[in-house]
Amino acid sequence: EAGVAQSPRYKIIEKRQSVAFWCNPISGHATLYWYQQILGQGPKLLIQFQNNGVVDDSQLPKDRFSAERLKGVDSTLKIQPAKLEDSAVYLCASSQQQGYGYTFGSGTRLTVV
Amino acid sequence: GESVGLHLPTLSVQEGDNSIINCAYSNSASDYFIWYKQESGKGPQFIIDIRSNMDKRQGQRVTVLLNKTVKHLSLQIAATQPGDSAVYFCAEMGAGNMLTFGGGTRLMVKP
Repeated sequence: EAGVAQSPRYKIIEKRQSVAFWCNPISGHATLYWYQQILGQGPKLLIQFQNNGVVDDSQLPKDRFSAERLKGVDSTLKIQPAKLEDSAVYLCASSQQQGYGYTFGSGTRLTVV
Repeated sequence: GESVGLHLPTLSVQEGDNSIINCAYSNSASDYFIWYKQESGKGPQFIIDIRSNMDKRQGQRVTVLLNKTVKHLSLQIAATQPGDSAVYFCAEMGAGNMLTFGGGTRLMVKP
């Protein structure tokens, strides 16, 4: 079974620029999550999708972050404009059904300078 | 707010010894717990899980213990190997089916 695919692996941008991350979950996994992991900390949930609908985005800074999951498969997470404190690893995860553990991708490491 | 925390940020053990990583959780309504292993440059990798109707679950070289009375979770790794060196996170799931992670413990295995 192929894992969760994320791209790019690394991204360096200047503050106030925009950036987008892409995630392709495991085939058949209806639930998709985006997490932010700041260096030295545990992952923090940003948004949860069930198919193409948002289940929870209460932790997403909506003034600058947006996410979508068109057609209920791939998802993109966008930051515009980026701030220095957005430097982190952005992890995508998926699960076959709610109430079970997630499978994580390798993440995108974002550095904002 | 709800949180999951760890007692020890870094644990150093000798190769071949057993490792115990502890975790305290604060949400008594959480009913599902998972231990993840994260190596440098990689995403968290599922190790073992346990539901709140159990107090112990064993896998290959790993055991998870759950003490709901004191809201404590532990991961035991038998015969620790250099490949076990990583950061370990406990995570809890309650209402909404979302995992909340703690801050992690770094396990270092000395040869």
